[in-house]
Amino acid sequence: KQEVTQIPAALSVPEGENLVLNCSFTDSAIYNLQWFRQDPGKGLTSLLLIQSSQREQTSGRLNASLDKSSGRSTLYIAASQPGDSATYLCAVRGGANSKLTFGKGITLSVRP
Amino acid sequence: DVKVTQSSRYLVKRTGEKVFLECVQDMDHENMFWYRQDPGLGLRLIYFSYDVKMKEKGDIPEGYSVSREKKERFSLILESASTNQTSMYLCASSPNRAGYEQYFGPGTRLTVT
Repeated sequence: KQEVTQIPAALSVPEGENLVLNCSFTDSAIYNLQWFRQDPGKGLTSLLLIQSSQREQTSGRLNASLDKSSGRSTLYIAASQPGDSATYLCAVRGGANSKLTFGKGITLSVRP
Repeated sequence: DVKVTQSSRYLVKRTGEKVFLECVQDMDHENMFWYRQDPGLGLRLIYFSYDVKMKEKGDIPEGYSVSREKKERFSLILESASTNQTSMYLCASSPNRAGYEQYFGPGTRLTVT
């Protein structure tokens, strides 16, 4: 059974810092991996989707990498801003039509 | 832009009531999903559907049922609400094609008293 882990559960950094959020998964036979952002009391917003054949994806200040063999993904946030404060979740898909397995998320606080 | 809407943002119901949570998507997606999210437990899949009138159980289907009569609409039904069903409920949809993202609605915060 696939398990997705995100450690630490919470992170607090000063504004302007570059930071890395980690995600690990137990079964490397994944189809793709998706990073989401969730603001308090709201739904999830998709940030980046990495297919199993890809190594990384970029969107603005965000860069997500995938190392399937080691069961790891990282979300890199450059020059963090207070508006980046949110919970970041990663989720993996085991096959084209299989469900997503989610990590519990990392709650990020960026201090002004 | 993909839009997934949920009928209520906040809902308060009494124990034993029948509760309907509605989800509508406007992008002609085949797949639709219902999750619940609880502190410390993360997101857990309740039910999903790959097509109209089709449903499959997720990880925690007990106490819930679903209905998908039209492609754009996926309903979650709590036959007899209980206090342990107090939670945030999230609906999502995705195309039934390889590699596409899942899109989420804003969520419904349900409190059962």
